[in-house]
Amino acid sequence: DSGVTQTPKHLITATGQRVTLRCSPRSGDLSVYWYQQSLDQGLQFLIQYYNGEERAKGNILERFSAQQFPDLHSELNLSSLELGDSALYFCASSVAVNYGYTFGSGTRLTVV
Amino acid sequence: GNSVTQMEGPVTLSEEAFLTINCTYTATGYPSLFWYVQYPGEGLQLLLKATKADDKGSNKGFEATYRKETTSFHLEKGSVQVSDSAVYFCALTAGINFGNEKLTFGTGTRLTIIP
Repeated sequence: DSGVTQTPKHLITATGQRVTLRCSPRSGDLSVYWYQQSLDQGLQFLIQYYNGEERAKGNILERFSAQQFPDLHSELNLSSLELGDSALYFCASSVAVNYGYTFGSGTRLTVV
Repeated sequence: GNSVTQMEGPVTLSEEAFLTINCTYTATGYPSLFWYVQYPGEGLQLLLKATKADDKGSNKGFEATYRKETTSFHLEKGSVQVSDSAVYFCALTAGINFGNEKLTFGTGTRLTIIP
């Protein structure tokens, strides 16, 4: 157990639907990062939150949004889902970036 | 911008062979460098890191040296085991001093060790 908890582990949904992925960071970590891993695009950075505030944005689609709550857990909302959104979504947390990230085990999203 | 270029895979080796996975980078300032490993069905795990030039990161028999002159961070292991079969990712961060904390990953190298 890495200390970063992601739920659900698997999600199957239809095109056009909306889903919410949840992440609880490791205790003491203030930063949460979201990444998308697909076969054709590798690991793509989506967004970072630090202590409740958005810190950096990557290749995140407008259909996607995220937030970090006062208890530091984070949610990634994916809407108007398309087949191409099928991927592994990872959350990671860190206390300081030079120490590296701790990753969760991911949520596998399948859009049918 | 920051980027990481990794050796193309997949790589297949026999048990006890010597392993090298090449990684070179382009970055602003003085990045920190990392190797992550992903076992089947799991998330990424930090394998080793180096935060300044000439630092050597090491863990579980793996080593990598931060070479600023060649902008490289090659991963090596002297004698691989079947249990080392996984996907290996090289990554960097420019750090908070450059307003860019996110990790930038290479494309990953799939390693298979055969008995």
